[in-house]
Amino acid sequence: NAGVMQNPRHLVRRRGQEARLRCSPMKGHSHVYWYRQLPEEGLKFMVYLQKENIIDESGMPKERFSAEFPKEGPSILRIQQVVRGDSAAYFCASSALEGVETQYFGPGTRLLVL
Amino acid sequence: GDSVTQMEGPVTLSEEAFLTINCTYTATGYPSLFWYVQYPGEGLQLLLKATKADDKGSNKGFEATYRKETTSFHLEKGSVQVSDSAVYFCALRGFNKFYFGSGTKLNVKP
Repeated sequence: NAGVMQNPRHLVRRRGQEARLRCSPMKGHSHVYWYRQLPEEGLKFMVYLQKENIIDESGMPKERFSAEFPKEGPSILRIQQVVRGDSAAYFCASSALEGVETQYFGPGTRLLVL
Repeated sequence: GDSVTQMEGPVTLSEEAFLTINCTYTATGYPSLFWYVQYPGEGLQLLLKATKADDKGSNKGFEATYRKETTSFHLEKGSVQVSDSAVYFCALRGFNKFYFGSGTKLNVKP
């Protein structure tokens, strides 16, 4: 049973470009969470999605960031007009059920903005 | 709001030494508590968890006890190995999300 998959693993963008990060949850999981890890810091919650619904986006910056989890395909975290402060590791986690205890994490996408 | 505080690192130990990484939390109610481990360049792996007061989580020689009276969930291991070198994160499960501490880097020398 494959774990949570994220791609790309590394992404380099110049300021002003767009970054698209993809996450495929574990098989059978329909709940996806995105977290951001700034250098030397812990993970900070960004958004929680179920298929075709955003449940909690309280951790998402108000501008330039968006997320979706379509009926078919991976979840996408999109960052428009990236700035150097967006450089971080972005982790996706999934769980099988709402309220289930454990989230399983992917390997992360490391975004570098030049 | 909910939060987790853990000791700053790095922690450097010799092989077979005793390990303690302190973690305290602030939360409404009694949330489940977790320790995750992150090896270089990788994602977080669940190490252990405890779901209620006085529960002890354990895995791979690591242990942590959920202490309601001190709001703590300290990670311990009796004899560390070089392969335990990693960053360790304490976390609590809130509503719809996890709250993580800032991580403690552990270096174990042969």
